Amino acid sequence: GQNIDQPTEMTATEGAIVQINCTYQTSGFNGLFWYQQHAGEAPTFLSYNVLDGLEEKGRFSSFLSRSKGYSYLLLKELQMKDSASYLCAPMDSNYQLIWGAGTKLIIKP
Amino acid sequence: GAVVSQHPSRVICKSGTSVKIECRSLDFQATTMFWYRQFPKKSLMLMATSNEGSKATYEQGVEKDKFLINHASLTLSTLTVTSAHPEDSSFYICSARGGQGDHQPQHFGDGTRLSIL
Repeated sequence: GQNIDQPTEMTATEGAIVQINCTYQTSGFNGLFWYQQHAGEAPTFLSYNVLDGLEEKGRFSSFLSRSKGYSYLLLKELQMKDSASYLCAPMDSNYQLIWGAGTKLIIKP
Repeated sequence: GAVVSQHPSRVICKSGTSVKIECRSLDFQATTMFWYRQFPKKSLMLMATSNEGSKATYEQGVEKDKFLINHASLTLSTLTVTSAHPEDSSFYICSARGGQGDHQPQHFGDGTRLSIL
């Protein structure tokens, strides 16, 4: 079956760095997306990885290891507005995104 | 770029009413649009995938006659919840993907919060 494993909740301090890990099992693989979803709102696209390695985009970076079925999202210089859920969504062989419940990130002052 | 507009943002109506939700891609052509529903603190649940000019592909367990999807143009898809009942109350979100390939990200509308009394 298809499966995504992320921590349910994480807490970090404003200005710090946090890494959100994701392991996945899919039928085929066509890349992995990270989305941010604030409470009561729709997801917004953050990053896409299809090759192994690190993709950096401002304060956010995303890493992928296809052989390990593993990705992480790294958030630097945390701000209060970064409090949200972060969704790891791999794409299977049918180009369909597989969604988990995400990681709720709580930022404290 | 990649803006998706969804409306209405909130609907409150009586049981038995049919509700239509529109999803528009404002600055790109969306060859594929997706309709999701999401319950509080739960993951997104894909309801159906629609390609412009063809019938939608529904996920297992989603009633086609209950959730009517029309993707009449490259910028517009609609979801009609027919004869809605309280159990249909949920957060409905559409997303759209451009035509540059299936690896393109899905861009989401703001969602529609549907409450059936």
